[in-house]
Amino acid sequence: DTAVSQTPKYLVTQMGNDKSIKCEQNLGHDTMYWYKQDSKKFLKIMFSYNNKELIINETVPNRFSPKSPDKAHLNLHINSLELGDSAVYFCASSIRGVGNTEAFFGQGTRLTVV
Amino acid sequence: DQQVKQNSPSLSVQEGRISILNCDYTNSMFDYFLWYKKYPAEGPTFLISISSIKDKNEDGRFTVFLNKSAKHLSLHIVPSQPGDSAVYFCAASRGFGNEKLTFGTGTRLTIIP
Repeated sequence: DTAVSQTPKYLVTQMGNDKSIKCEQNLGHDTMYWYKQDSKKFLKIMFSYNNKELIINETVPNRFSPKSPDKAHLNLHINSLELGDSAVYFCASSIRGVGNTEAFFGQGTRLTVV
Repeated sequence: DQQVKQNSPSLSVQEGRISILNCDYTNSMFDYFLWYKKYPAEGPTFLISISSIKDKNEDGRFTVFLNKSAKHLSLHIVPSQPGDSAVYFCAASRGFGNEKLTFGTGTRLTIIP
């Protein structure tokens, strides 16, 4: 029973396309995140949502638009994909206040833009 | 500006010995620290954490030590087992209610049988 699941696991697409990555958690957590791990293996936060409300947006280009239809889902839509968007994207969730508890991560989506 | 640093990209340790992974941070506002373990093609999984009010936290074979004055923490694994071979990420956050984790670049630990 997967706690945080992302789809798809792999995504290969051409420059200029629009794509979405879906994320769902069944842990009952109220906070969800998107992290990006680039080619240098830096793992950096992109967005954080709490109860469908955006609370962190880390200077991500506005081609990236997160959407949270409910607190169990946080999807990531990317417009006009660029080569530099190639990375592994991780969804995560936690109880509010990560300082007191850990975040649970999905298995990642490897996005390759060609 | 990398606020959390893991200066050793890789480490090899004989099975049964102690593995020591190090992490340094620059932001004195960080008050909660976590270690994550990551296998290839999987997401990071939580291993152990420590609050800044403590200097040591132990969970089975894993112990995390925090030296606030040096802004340094370390993860000790003893005894090391082949299944411990993975990439280990150090992470830090600022206070309850702050949802942002800042990660180090990871250390690849290889346990030699």
